Amino acid sequence: QKEVEQNSGPLSVPEGAIASLNCTYSDRGSQSFFWYRQYSGKSPELIMSIYSNGDKEDGRFTAQLNKASQYVSLLIRDSQPSDSATYLCAVNTDRGSTLGRLYFGRGTQLTVWP
Amino acid sequence: EAQVTQNPRYLITVTGKKLTVTCSQNMNHEYMSWYRQDPGLGLRQIYYSMNVEVTDKGDVPEGYKVSRKEKRNFPLILESPSPNQTSLYFCASSLSPGGGSNQPQHFGDGTRLSIL
Repeated sequence: QKEVEQNSGPLSVPEGAIASLNCTYSDRGSQSFFWYRQYSGKSPELIMSIYSNGDKEDGRFTAQLNKASQYVSLLIRDSQPSDSATYLCAVNTDRGSTLGRLYFGRGTQLTVWP
Repeated sequence: EAQVTQNPRYLITVTGKKLTVTCSQNMNHEYMSWYRQDPGLGLRQIYYSMNVEVTDKGDVPEGYKVSRKEKRNFPLILESPSPNQTSLYFCASSLSPGGGSNQPQHFGDGTRLSIL
């Protein structure tokens, strides 16, 4: 069983602040890392993917990966009320017996208040 | 429009009455998967399929069956539903397994099942 742990929420930040979401994973063989956003009652949608150590920026979103520490994070700068959602961390190994398996964390609920 | 279509979106049924949730994708994706989502437990994989006639169990396969006779379709079958299968179900597809190689999973809109 591959474990993906996310910091327990809910997380509440004021509009304009930086929201920081964290995720750790147990399988050192993990190769691909994703952040999905899920609005209440909706399906998950991919917002960031990262495959190598370091930072990856896309607009207000920055994903950070540290494979040595088995840690991946998502920073949301200038948070907006529309960012209020549950954020799911997902990892997979891309190889071996677990090829084809995507493991999700339980999600962190983020609320951005005006 | 590229999409994953699930039907039905909502279903209330009774224990033991066989049901099928259909899933169809129009993106020629090889990889398809079923998840269930329960409060506090996140998304858990039920079954997945790497290609036609190739399926494998995920983390919570008990009580479910799947088939992959055609590339575009991946139905989820509950032969004898029980109340503990009440959940929100998502079908997903991607070009390559697990969202690797820059190929993310596309999710359907979800099916909310209530088993009484």
